[in-house]
Amino acid sequence: DAGITQSPRHKVTETGTPVTLRCHQTENHRYMYWYRQDPGHGLRLIHYSYGVKDTDKGEVSDGYSVSRSKTEDFLLTLESATSSQTSVYFCAISKPQETQYFGPGTRLLVL
Amino acid sequence: AQSVTQLGSHVSVSEGALVLLRCNYSSSVPPYLFWYVQYPNQGLQLLLKYTTGATLVKGINGFEAEFKKSETSFHLTKPSAHMSDAAEYFCAVSEGDSGYSTLTFGKGTMLLVSP
Repeated sequence: DAGITQSPRHKVTETGTPVTLRCHQTENHRYMYWYRQDPGHGLRLIHYSYGVKDTDKGEVSDGYSVSRSKTEDFLLTLESATSSQTSVYFCAISKPQETQYFGPGTRLLVL
Repeated sequence: AQSVTQLGSHVSVSEGALVLLRCNYSSSVPPYLFWYVQYPNQGLQLLLKYTTGATLVKGINGFEAEFKKSETSFHLTKPSAHMSDAAEYFCAVSEGDSGYSTLTFGKGTMLLVSP
């Protein structure tokens, strides 16, 4: 299994509070991705990174920001959480043009 | 822009029966195609992928898929279903030889296997 961990694995928060999810890899892969998974929607790309401090928006980036200050860590921040951001969040990593490998996911509930 | 359509949000089969999960894609460039499986409360695991070369691709757990360019399809099959195959399956496409490899996923198909 690819060395990917996500923290926390479960989180309950209230509307309007900031939330940061962490993805950590031990594979030294260049690319890292954040997806959200919702019933009936499959996985949708939020943001991705193609190197330290290099990030770009995905399909559903509104309300989310990311940062990557080190190769191994990719942070996803919800500046002010809303109930529509209740979801399961997955991190993935890959080498350029190669298969993406996924982390175990973080279940986020926004009340 | 690329997209993926998975026909059927749920597919039910009996143990020992043929499994067929359908995936059609659209892409403006030669695609790379993937099938992932997700067991309950877990992340996604790669089943198989097509990049170039042989159009019939074999994966783990006895699954295979065939890339048919003329039909823009990449259907997943397994000759004989096992109870342990019950899971959700996702088809995904990326833009082949582009400089990066963002994936576009289908909405998923839940495979139900009955004894």
